[in-house]
Amino acid sequence: EDQVTQSPEALRLQEGESSSLNCSYTVSGLRGLFWYRQDPGKGPEFLFTLYSAGEEKEKERLKATLTKKESFLHITAPKPEDSATYLCAVRLLMDSSYKLIFGSGTRLLVRP
Amino acid sequence: NAGVMQNPRHLVRRRGQEARLRCSPMKGHSHVYWYRQLPEEGLKFMVYLQKENIIDESGMPKERFSAEFPKEGPSILRIQQVVRGDSAAYFCASSPAEEKTGRNSPLHFGNGTRLTVT
Repeated sequence: EDQVTQSPEALRLQEGESSSLNCSYTVSGLRGLFWYRQDPGKGPEFLFTLYSAGEEKEKERLKATLTKKESFLHITAPKPEDSATYLCAVRLLMDSSYKLIFGSGTRLLVRP
Repeated sequence: NAGVMQNPRHLVRRRGQEARLRCSPMKGHSHVYWYRQLPEEGLKFMVYLQKENIIDESGMPKERFSAEFPKEGPSILRIQQVVRGDSAAYFCASSPAEEKTGRNSPLHFGNGTRLTVT
């Protein structure tokens, strides 16, 4: 069964304390891996797409990396405004649609 | 999230009533996806529709739930005879037709409808 698992479920950081979020996946074939950010009461906001092992993408304090089994979202010197739930999702190779399979997310709280 | 419009933002229904959730996709998008998010859980796929066609409903409960995307107007997710377990946030996402963009374009989400069943 295709599955996406995120860890930790929740993470508390002090402002400036760098860390990483993990997304491991077990799928029949990966077409793409996606990271989204979700703020309370809002819909998911797209951050990154990764296509193949070894690929990296960066945006401000965030950097996403991909291996054959997992992806990491690295947060460097986070600020309180980075507090949100971060969602990882995969699109399957055999699926011709844009359907995504999501993990349960990591709730990040950055304290000033 | 700009562009995908969902309404209402909040909907309260009593057990046994019907809930209708509406979604207008981004301009130029012709495909709609519905997801459900229970508290403290991730988004679960429900159904994928194109105009006048249901393409994949593998995530839809077999009873009481239906979805449509008519030629004109928004996509509708309909829940008949709601129960407390239907309380959740329902999100709609849209995409262009596959042939119009790269195969790894992201889904664009609305801000959801929060359904509360009392």
